[in-house]
Amino acid sequence: DQQVKQNSPSLSVQEGRISILNCDYTNSMFDYFLWYKKYPAEGPTFLISISSIKDKNEDGRFTVFLNKSAKHLSLHIVPSQPGDSAVYFCAASGTGTASKLTFGTGTRLQVTL
Amino acid sequence: KAGVTQTPRYLIKTRGQQVTLSCSPISGHRSVSWYQQTPGQGLQFLFEYFSETQRNKGNFPGRFSGRQFSNSRSEMNVSTLELGDSALYLCASSGSGVEYYGYTFGSGTRLTVV
Repeated sequence: DQQVKQNSPSLSVQEGRISILNCDYTNSMFDYFLWYKKYPAEGPTFLISISSIKDKNEDGRFTVFLNKSAKHLSLHIVPSQPGDSAVYFCAASGTGTASKLTFGTGTRLQVTL
Repeated sequence: KAGVTQTPRYLIKTRGQQVTLSCSPISGHRSVSWYQQTPGQGLQFLFEYFSETQRNKGNFPGRFSGRQFSNSRSEMNVSTLELGDSALYLCASSGSGVEYYGYTFGSGTRLTVV
């Protein structure tokens, strides 16, 4: 049962344009959502998170949007840079004893010149 | 401050052997979680330890076990290794405010079972 889904395995965007990565979830008990960036042979690096009580969180070039009614979140990267090329994972978590991260399967972003 | 440290970085073992992986969390972090990453299954949660107690456990067989020490360092053990255990094993630590600052991952241990 895949509770967190990233339906696009890959995405290619030109440098300077907007990258939009999408994520859907099924468990309405998730309390917060996170986005991670991962390079090969390295651990995921935390990018940005959003609480279930908010619908938007922004940090520099990264903005995460949450639509609870649709159980959907998205990560916007503006402007996209070549260094953004990596695999992006969305993850969801509860709190306390339910604090494990449930990851999506990842989206490989390629930012082209 | 120092990040999450995992040792060893790479490991090659034979089927049937056992292996122990180590994780030193960020100083002050009391929660340590372990994840397995494989090409087919993505990142799968193994277990979480908080103050030396297992607080949460994923859907892995009993061959996978872990523990946490009083200094928050953690180890995970896999007994009777199978070829399918070949994966990148990631450790993550977290402190208070994890919903804002996320979990911090180590670089992982790449285990190859031959």
